[in-house]
Amino acid sequence: AQSVSQHNHHVILSEAASLELGCNYSYGGTVNLFWYVQYPGQHLQLLLKYFSGDPLVKGIKGFEAEFIKSKFSFNLRKPSVQWSDTAEYFCAVNAHNNNDMRFGAGTRLTVKP
Amino acid sequence: GAVVSQHPSRVICKSGTSVKIECRSLDFQATTMFWYRQFPKQSLMLMATSNEGSKATYEQGVEKDKFLINHASLTLSTLTVTSAHPEDSSFYICSAPSGGKDTQYFGPGTRLTVL
Repeated sequence: AQSVSQHNHHVILSEAASLELGCNYSYGGTVNLFWYVQYPGQHLQLLLKYFSGDPLVKGIKGFEAEFIKSKFSFNLRKPSVQWSDTAEYFCAVNAHNNNDMRFGAGTRLTVKP
Repeated sequence: GAVVSQHPSRVICKSGTSVKIECRSLDFQATTMFWYRQFPKQSLMLMATSNEGSKATYEQGVEKDKFLINHASLTLSTLTVTSAHPEDSSFYICSAPSGGKDTQYFGPGTRLTVL
């Protein structure tokens, strides 16, 4: 079964700083990759997803992620964070054509105004 | 986009009682729904896959007699926590795929507190 690891448990940044959250997965086959965000008191929302094609995917709110197959990585980036980006970020993976989704432990992002 | 709702959003119960949580797909049909639990400051852990018209599939370590799942229709799945104990206190989240097998939509979650 696939598994996901997120290296950063808690990241604290100042506004306008650049962000990169690490995500690595373990699975031998073709995968779909996702980043979800959970704002305080709210439910999970999809930020972006990669199924195939261009490994650099752009999502909502200025986020992007790059799939590097050789490194089994799907890191999330944003050039300039805002206070409103304070949230929990989850990387997730499922095997291609399989709804069984596995989540990383999550990274809490705190952006200081 | 597709919307998934859960009811109730929050429930507090006494130890030993049973609690039912509903998950509904509001504007689409879902033959499969997923149930997760999320402990404080931890990630979502898949508990089971709910299948309309057949038995649910449970993940290893999840007691099927304790967490009863019923997928009554194409828009409703229920999770019943039977004989709840304080260690069952958690955030329970459901999801359903829509618009292709690989896209899931999540409900807002149900916070269960067992006293």
